[in-house]
Amino acid sequence: DSGVTQTPKHLITATGQRVTLRCSPRSGDLSVYWYQQSLDQGLQFLIQYYNGEERAKGNILERFSAQQFPDLHSELNLSSLELGDSALYFCASSPYRGMNTEAFFGQGTRLTVV
Amino acid sequence: AQSVTQPDIHITVSEGASLELRCNYSYGATPYLFWYVQSPGQGLQLLLKYFSGDTLVQGIKGFEAEFKRSQSSFNLRKPSVHWSDAAEYFCAVGVYNTDKLIFGTGTRLQVFP
Repeated sequence: DSGVTQTPKHLITATGQRVTLRCSPRSGDLSVYWYQQSLDQGLQFLIQYYNGEERAKGNILERFSAQQFPDLHSELNLSSLELGDSALYFCASSPYRGMNTEAFFGQGTRLTVV
Repeated sequence: AQSVTQPDIHITVSEGASLELRCNYSYGATPYLFWYVQSPGQGLQLLLKYFSGDTLVQGIKGFEAEFKRSQSSFNLRKPSVHWSDAAEYFCAVGVYNTDKLIFGTGTRLQVFP
């Protein structure tokens, strides 16, 4: 158990809908990262927050947004969903600003868009 | 641009056999290097990491990796594979002075009894 909690574990929704994925980082970790894992794209970095502020952006679509709350949990919002958004979404946390030291991953949320 | 290449998409070995998973990186300076493992239905778990110093790094579960600057490689090895090692393995490079961690496409390991 990495100490990072993601909910829900599975989500099935229709195209055009909006969903929210939730991540609770390890106790004391200030950085939260979101990754998307799909068969054709592999692991893609989406976005990072550090202590409530957006710190880095990767290949995140405009239809996607995220935030980190004062209690350090984070939410990833996906809207106007398309079939191609079906993927495993991982949250990771780190005690540091960067994950290039060590990061701890949650078990992921599997999103299926039908 | 930085990149990580794992040339083997899928590897099959017999239990008890030795294992080597290949990883090559492209980066202008000495990178931070990592190997992560993802078991079915699980998140990624860090196996080992290299930042500097001894180029042979020991990790958890009996894994080790060797950093070879001349070959831009960071191959993962295990002398004797166990059935529980069946998983997907990701090599990653951390870019110094940034927050970026770039993953390879992964190698799926299958272990036969």
